[in-house]
Amino acid sequence: GAGVSQSPSNKVTEKGKDVELRCDPISGHTALYWYRQSLGQGLEFLIYFQGNSAPDKSGLPSDRFSAERTGGSVSTLTIQRTQQEDSAVYLCASSPEGGNGKLFFGSGTQLSVL
Amino acid sequence: GDSVTQMEGPVTLSEEAFLTINCTYTATGYPSLFWYVQYPGEGLQLLLKATKADDKGSNKGFEATYRKETTSFHLEKGSVQVSDSAVYFCALLIQGAQKLVFGQGTRLTINP
Repeated sequence: GAGVSQSPSNKVTEKGKDVELRCDPISGHTALYWYRQSLGQGLEFLIYFQGNSAPDKSGLPSDRFSAERTGGSVSTLTIQRTQQEDSAVYLCASSPEGGNGKLFFGSGTQLSVL
Repeated sequence: GDSVTQMEGPVTLSEEAFLTINCTYTATGYPSLFWYVQYPGEGLQLLLKATKADDKGSNKGFEATYRKETTSFHLEKGSVQVSDSAVYFCALLIQGAQKLVFGQGTRLTINP
C-alpha cells in the first residue's frame, strides 16, 4: 500500500481480555515503531524494530505488552489482560534505513477498555 | 533522561495572526529536532526538522530555529490560516539512536 496501515481502526474490549493490534508498514521500510497516544499525555514510545536487530523494548509499560515483527514486515502489538488505563490510541510508524527521524505514521487504533 | 516540553494548549487564534508554539528540550549530546503535525482525521506527519545548532527548518510558512544556548526549538508562523488548525508535536531524536521522543502536543485552532 501507499502508506502505513493499521487495523482495526477501533477496538472495544472488556477489562481482562487480550487484544492484538496490527501494523503493515510501508514496503521497504526497515524500521518500525509503536507509540501510544493518551489524552493529554502526548506520544509515548513503546517499542522499536530495526531490520534483524533485537528490538528496543524499553518503552513497554508492563509485561502485559509484547510485540513481534514477522519477516521484517507486518507487526503485531499484543496487550494481555487489558486494563482501563490501556485505553488510548496506538500508533504505528515506519521509516526507511537512515531515515534520521522522518517517520511515516498510520492513522492508529483507538482502543477502549470497558 | 531526554525529554521535550511544549507550551500547554489549547491555543486559539484568529486568521492572519502571528503564531508561536514554544518547545524546549533536555538531552545529552546534540539531538536532531523536529516538529510533527496531526491534522484532524489524519496521521502524524513531519512538518520540519533541524539537525544542528542555528539550523532553521521551514515548511508551509512555518519556521523553527535550533537554539542550543536556550535548548529551544520554537515553532513560528507569520500569518496563520484556518487550515493550520491541528495538533503540533515537538520531538527530538536521541543521538546515536533512531527513537523519537515527543512532547505532549499543542492543539491549535484558527478561527476565520
